[in-house]
Amino acid sequence: DADVTQTPRNRITKTGKRIMLECSQTKGHDRMYWYRQDPGLGLRLIYYSFDVKDINKGEISDGYSVSRQAQAKFSLSLESAIPNQTALYFCATSEGFGSNYGYTFGSGTRLTVV
Amino acid sequence: GESVGLHLPTLSVQEGDNSIINCAYSNSASDYFIWYKQESGKGPQFIIDIRSNMDKRQGQRVTVLLNKTVKHLSLQIAATQPGDSAVYFCAGLGGSYIPTFGRGTSLIVHP
Repeated sequence: DADVTQTPRNRITKTGKRIMLECSQTKGHDRMYWYRQDPGLGLRLIYYSFDVKDINKGEISDGYSVSRQAQAKFSLSLESAIPNQTALYFCATSEGFGSNYGYTFGSGTRLTVV
Repeated sequence: GESVGLHLPTLSVQEGDNSIINCAYSNSASDYFIWYKQESGKGPQFIIDIRSNMDKRQGQRVTVLLNKTVKHLSLQIAATQPGDSAVYFCAGLGGSYIPTFGRGTSLIVHP
């Protein structure tokens, strides 16, 4: 089983719909992140959480919300999806101040908003 | 904040050649850098890292060089193989220890 699991892998949704992307991890890491990837723009941080009671906005949080249900679970919601939120979304975890900060990414969720 | 970018969007090499992928950063306070490899349909995978108190670090067929004077780092892949074809990202970490990613360089290896 993957260390960081994202569901669904692919999703097509209509403009205005609410959608939730889920992430679960078996790494035991406290830190979890949501990134968005667009062609030519690299990975941009949406939200991050350093522990269950901690939620922080990243550089592009508008239009998104998150919930850290447990150490192992971090979900990303689009309350009212719009076409420019079509992108590849990645969840990642890290152990923080370790030898290599232990960043592990999930396989991604490809979201299309029509 | 950190700004990290790569010099070339695409690099094409012949199998067996050495590849060099470059990256520049803007935040002189960054003290840790990571290179990731992203294959098609997958998430980024850690390749190698380097701290700012080092100027070179070697892994298996990969070497990362850091030049703090000009805020530049590079990833060298020796004897490039078709399996090395992927998008490569550099990431820099400053005080927040949250990485800022560059835009990526697509490495294409021709047999």
